[in-house]
Amino acid sequence: DSGVTQTPKHLITATGQRVTLRCSPRSGDLSVYWYQQSLDQGLQFLIQYYNGEERAKGNILERFSAQQFPDLHSELNLSSLELGDSALYFCASSPARTSGGEQYFGPGTRLTVT
Amino acid sequence: AQSVTQLGSHVSVSEGALVLLRCNYSSSVPPYLFWYVQYPNQGLQLLLKYTSAATLVKGINGFEAEFKKSETSFHLTKPSAHMSDAAEYFCAVSGDFGNEKLTFGTGTRLTIIP
Repeated sequence: DSGVTQTPKHLITATGQRVTLRCSPRSGDLSVYWYQQSLDQGLQFLIQYYNGEERAKGNILERFSAQQFPDLHSELNLSSLELGDSALYFCASSPARTSGGEQYFGPGTRLTVT
Repeated sequence: AQSVTQLGSHVSVSEGALVLLRCNYSSSVPPYLFWYVQYPNQGLQLLLKYTSAATLVKGINGFEAEFKKSETSFHLTKPSAHMSDAAEYFCAVSGDFGNEKLTFGTGTRLTIIP
């Protein structure tokens, strides 16, 4: 158990819908990262937050957005869903904004868009 | 841009045999390199990390990796494979301060033959 929690574990929804994925980092970790894992794209970095502020952006679509709240939990919002958005979405956390720090991954949310 | 290349998307070894999973990196110095393991339907678990303190890095479950700058490699090894080692293994690289996101390789699926 990494200490990172993600809800829900599974999500099935229809095209065009909007969903929210939730992540609680390890106690004391200030950085939260979101990654997408799909068969065709592999593991891709989406976005990073540090202590409530956006820190870095990766290959995140404009239909996707995220935020980190004062209690440090984070939410990833996916809207106007398409079939290609079906994937595993991971959240990871790390203690601080320092070089070489390992990231601890949650169990993931499996999103299926039908 | 930083990247890692994993040679061999599938590797099969007999139980008790040497495990060798290959990873080559492309990065400015210093690279921070990681190996993660993903068991079916689970998140990613950190096996080990290289952050320039020592070129031979020991990780969990008997795995180790050697950083070779001249070969730009960070191969993962284990002297004797166990059935429980069957999983997908990812090599990853992160950058210096301000660029902490993980960039993953395409993964290597390890199968253990009884």
